[in-house]
Amino acid sequence: SAVISQKPSRDICQRGTSLTIQCQVDSQVTMMFWYRQQPGQSLTLIATANQGSEATYESGFVIDKFPISRPNLTFSTLTVSNMSPEDSSIYLCSALGDTTYEQYFGPGTRLTVT
Amino acid sequence: AQTVTQSQPEMSVQEAETVTLSCTYDTSESDYYLFWYKQPPSRQMILVIRQEAYKQQNATENRFSVNFQKAAKSFSLKISDSQLGDAAMYFCAYRSALAGGTSYGKLTFGQGTILTVHP
Repeated sequence: SAVISQKPSRDICQRGTSLTIQCQVDSQVTMMFWYRQQPGQSLTLIATANQGSEATYESGFVIDKFPISRPNLTFSTLTVSNMSPEDSSIYLCSALGDTTYEQYFGPGTRLTVT
Repeated sequence: AQTVTQSQPEMSVQEAETVTLSCTYDTSESDYYLFWYKQPPSRQMILVIRQEAYKQQNATENRFSVNFQKAAKSFSLKISDSQLGDAAMYFCAYRSALAGGTSYGKLTFGQGTILTVHP
């Protein structure tokens, strides 16, 4: 199994600023993902973090707003840029293990934009 | 595209009783995985149970079992002997099993069901 940690666990930011969220997995994983969970809502996939190349974004999410890096097989970052109150959400990192059904989640980062 | 629907925004159950959470999904794929995740107030997503679509036998994990009806595209979760610690948001999720496909590894979640357990 894999354990995922995220930093920070929560933050309060002012509109117009940017926040970078870090995701660290304690073992090598095949794929990493970033999800957003707006207050009281379900999880929505933002993008797939590709190791050594540009992330693959889902419809409605763009690189300028949510730049993602994945420099190696165990680490990824998500930046929320030029934040507005609508970006207030929980951001979760997820990873797919070696077997086809192992999927792990980080504890999430609760972001509040004022 | 796949969709997952949970039609029960909230459910409640008495401690020690049984409750069933509903989930339906839509897909044109024949090989996929279905999951139930639990999200307590701590926000941590916890895998409750998974089902491989090619398996006819319903998955069971201790007090948790599923009723998987592939033709009807239905995947309900039964919690037996409910405990106070079962109170949480429950999400049904779908994942394609097609290796190398554009949807591989991506989870599609339902809207969630808030489960309250009364002592």
